[in-house]
Amino acid sequence: EDKVVQSPLSLVVHEGDTVTLNCSYEVTNFRSLLWYKQEKKAPTFLFMLTSSGIEKKSGRLSSILDKKELFSILNITATQTGDSAVYLCAVEGGADGLTFGKGTHLIIQP
Amino acid sequence: DAGVIQSPRHEVTEMGQEVTLRCKPISGHNSLFWYRQTMMRGLELLIYFNNNVPIDDSGMPEDRFSAKMPNASFSTLKIQPSEPRDSAVYFCASSFGRAGNQPQHFGDGTRLSIL
Repeated sequence: EDKVVQSPLSLVVHEGDTVTLNCSYEVTNFRSLLWYKQEKKAPTFLFMLTSSGIEKKSGRLSSILDKKELFSILNITATQTGDSAVYLCAVEGGADGLTFGKGTHLIIQP
Repeated sequence: DAGVIQSPRHEVTEMGQEVTLRCKPISGHNSLFWYRQTMMRGLELLIYFNNNVPIDDSGMPEDRFSAKMPNASFSTLKIQPSEPRDSAVYFCASSFGRAGNQPQHFGDGTRLSIL
């Protein structure tokens, strides 16, 4: 059975701090790993990673995948209160849909 | 462009009633997914359609759940009879191409409460 584990479950930091969110996985026939941000409603897509070692970057957010060690990290630099959300990691593998982790609940305090 | 549209946004009903959730995927997307989200179990895939055909329904909890996709622009998820443990947020997502090739885009979800 495909499995995705995210850590930490919850994180509270001050505005301006840098945070690193972790995602490890066990899947058969790995195809891709995705990061989503979920605020009040729908998860919104952040990154899709398919190759090891290639950093994807969008503004203050970046992510990288290690297919040998089976994990990914999501970095957010110079955090802002608007970054407060649940960050979800998901992998596409044996099952055709996404297998999600439980998420990291990030709170940015002013 | 319109995103994935789900209705209703919120439904409260008594146990035993039939519940029908609706989804309109993004135009041009040919893969559609139904997910359920709870605090205990997170987001779980229920069923996946590709070109209107159910490909993987192994996540559907039991026979009380059924899903259809009569055409490329509409899908339903039905629960009959509903039970309190079905209370959750149900998300529909769509993507272009087979799963794994393109990111999935999610609707705002239907918050279902079964009393």
